[in-house]
Amino acid sequence: EAGVAQSPRYKIIEKRQSVAFWCNPISGHATLYWYQQILGQGPKLLIQFQNNGVVDDSQLPKDRFSAERLKGVDSTLKIQPAKLEDSAVYLCASSLSGVGQYFGPGTRLTVT
Amino acid sequence: AQTVTQSQPEMSVQEAETVTLSCTYDTSESDYYLFWYKQPPSRQMILVIRQEAYKQQNATENRFSVNFQKAAKSFSLKISDSQLGDAAMYFCAYMSGGSNYKLTFGKGTLLTVNP
Repeated sequence: EAGVAQSPRYKIIEKRQSVAFWCNPISGHATLYWYQQILGQGPKLLIQFQNNGVVDDSQLPKDRFSAERLKGVDSTLKIQPAKLEDSAVYLCASSLSGVGQYFGPGTRLTVT
Repeated sequence: AQTVTQSQPEMSVQEAETVTLSCTYDTSESDYYLFWYKQPPSRQMILVIRQEAYKQQNATENRFSVNFQKAAKSFSLKISDSQLGDAAMYFCAYMSGGSNYKLTFGKGTLLTVNP
């Protein structure tokens, strides 16, 4: 069974530029999560989807971050415009039952 | 809001020895789950072990076991017969038993295994 796929693995951009990350969850997993992990900290949930609907986006900075999950499968997380403090690893996870979450390898974003 | 505290930023252990990582949490809920995740330098977060709050018996997975003290809100991870491959960042995480399945993570403990 293929795991959660994410791309790109690394991205370097200048502040005020835009960037997008892609996630493909495990086949059949209805729930998809995006986490932000700043260096030296644990992951923080940004947004949670159930199929293509948003369950929780309370910690998503909506003035610059957006996410979508068209057709309830793949998801894209976008930052526009990026700030220095957005430098982090962005993790995608998916789950079938909710309790067990499977994580992807993450995308390391550096904003200069 | 729930909080998870890992008071040991770094720990080290000799290969084949036993090490215990600490975690405390704060919640007013009675139904919840607790997890330990391992994150190697490759960044892939891997589930190590899971505990349901309603279960009194401590979870075990091969060399990994937990000491779950519900009244004290403590959830420590014991790694027996430590191996070089156990070296990683370990995160304790809390999940409410409600329907949103949101994980709240601690700041992590970096475990070094010395040969």
